[in-house]
Amino acid sequence: KNEVEQSPQNLTAQEGEFITINCSYSVGISALHWLQQHPGGGIVSLFMLSSGKKKHGRLIATINIQEKHSSLHITASHPRDSAVYICAVHMDSNYQLIWGAGTKLIIKP
Amino acid sequence: EAQVTQNPRYLITVTGKKLTVTCSQNMNHEYMSWYRQDPGLGLRQIYYSMNVEVTDKGDVPEGYKVSRKEKRNFPLILESPSPNQTSLYFCASSLLGLMNTEAFFGQGTRLTVV
Repeated sequence: KNEVEQSPQNLTAQEGEFITINCSYSVGISALHWLQQHPGGGIVSLFMLSSGKKKHGRLIATINIQEKHSSLHITASHPRDSAVYICAVHMDSNYQLIWGAGTKLIIKP
Repeated sequence: EAQVTQNPRYLITVTGKKLTVTCSQNMNHEYMSWYRQDPGLGLRQIYYSMNVEVTDKGDVPEGYKVSRKEKRNFPLILESPSPNQTSLYFCASSLLGLMNTEAFFGQGTRLTVV
């Protein structure tokens, strides 16, 4: 069983829809990252969370430490949101990041 | 501008010909690491470094070497590349000891070994 699991693996939605991507983990963590990888390959950090909720524009990330679960939401989705979204956790025992496999999101116009 | 710079962005080479992928960051970060990304496997860590002259193996270190002689640079060395090292490589850096910090990534190096 992977220590970090994302769902769904693939998601196709229409422009304007509310998107939710989930990340569950099984290890003790000090922080969780959400990252975005565009088709060109570059990776950009979206959020770093250790508790609660963060918002940046149309993106919202939440984390529930007790349930070992985080969600990334996109409101009013747009085709330019099409990308792979990756969850990664900082283990609390060291500085290592454990990576999820990613969720490929396609937003159709 | 805070950034991690990788070079080259694209490289095609032949089996056995030594190559180096450079990585440089301008944020005075202690922690740097190398990942490879392969279809269906996500990101896998190759090596990481917590500071100058301190390096450690990640999950898939075989066939790779690294060095950290200066804080800003963390080159990845393939002494004798093989076709199974064809992959997309990312360098990343972050502050060490401060968990409330984001990770910064290079633009990636797409390596093809024929």
